[in-house]
Amino acid sequence: QSVLTQPPSVSAAAGQKVTISCSGSSTNIGNNLVSWYQQFPGTAPKLLIYDNNKRPSGIPDRFSGSKSGTSATLGIAGLQTGDEADYYCGTWDTSLSAGVFGGGTKLTVL
Amino acid sequence: QVQLVESGGGVVQPGRSLRLSCAVSGFTFSAYGLHWVRQAPGKGLEWVASISYDGSDKYYADSVRGRFTISRDRSKNTLFLQMSSLSSEDTAVYYCARDILTIVLIPATPEIWGQGTLVTVTS
Repeated sequence: QSVLTQPPSVSAAAGQKVTISCSGSSTNIGNNLVSWYQQFPGTAPKLLIYDNNKRPSGIPDRFSGSKSGTSATLGIAGLQTGDEADYYCGTWDTSLSAGVFGGGTKLTVL
Repeated sequence: QVQLVESGGGVVQPGRSLRLSCAVSGFTFSAYGLHWVRQAPGKGLEWVASISYDGSDKYYADSVRGRFTISRDRSKNTLFLQMSSLSSEDTAVYYCARDILTIVLIPATPEIWGQGTLVTVTS
């Protein structure tokens, strides 16, 4: 029942690239900037991507973000076992006047 | 370095109130918007509330509007979340986070997060 829709899980082999989608509407993704977070079990989320496609200092360029219309995508290239985590998209919803997150996607590296 | 440290969590009975605190350091408190985000056990992230850099604008999720109040104290470099009429659905780890931008009235991107404090609502 999240405002933003993500696939519950994705998987790919080590060294490959995976993409995680985040679908919303005109009141959120369509007219606001998207961010992406990585979370390992028992720890706080970490910002990976902000303003649709920018990386904070220290985030490797294996992580990328893009947005088109009312959808956004997180890309992770050169997958490593250490990338196994939950990933969340987030943005502002102008209609709700509140922040919103996707339901999260669990990444498995085969 | 930038630090946010939550406190005030614990076990509380349904219908009661609780106040969470988030002590911040390592940055200019009055320049950044701040957020509360929660995560129920085994569930995803849920945006709870945000407050602008100067405290003039506050935003709430529908699930907590009218029951929770976000506030900030510049003299103490501390963010607060006053929670009332608690129910089992409010059981979660509560994180405070600093926004990535300075001097904006609508903070929308939590950047740096605290370690979280657990609130358990049970009779």
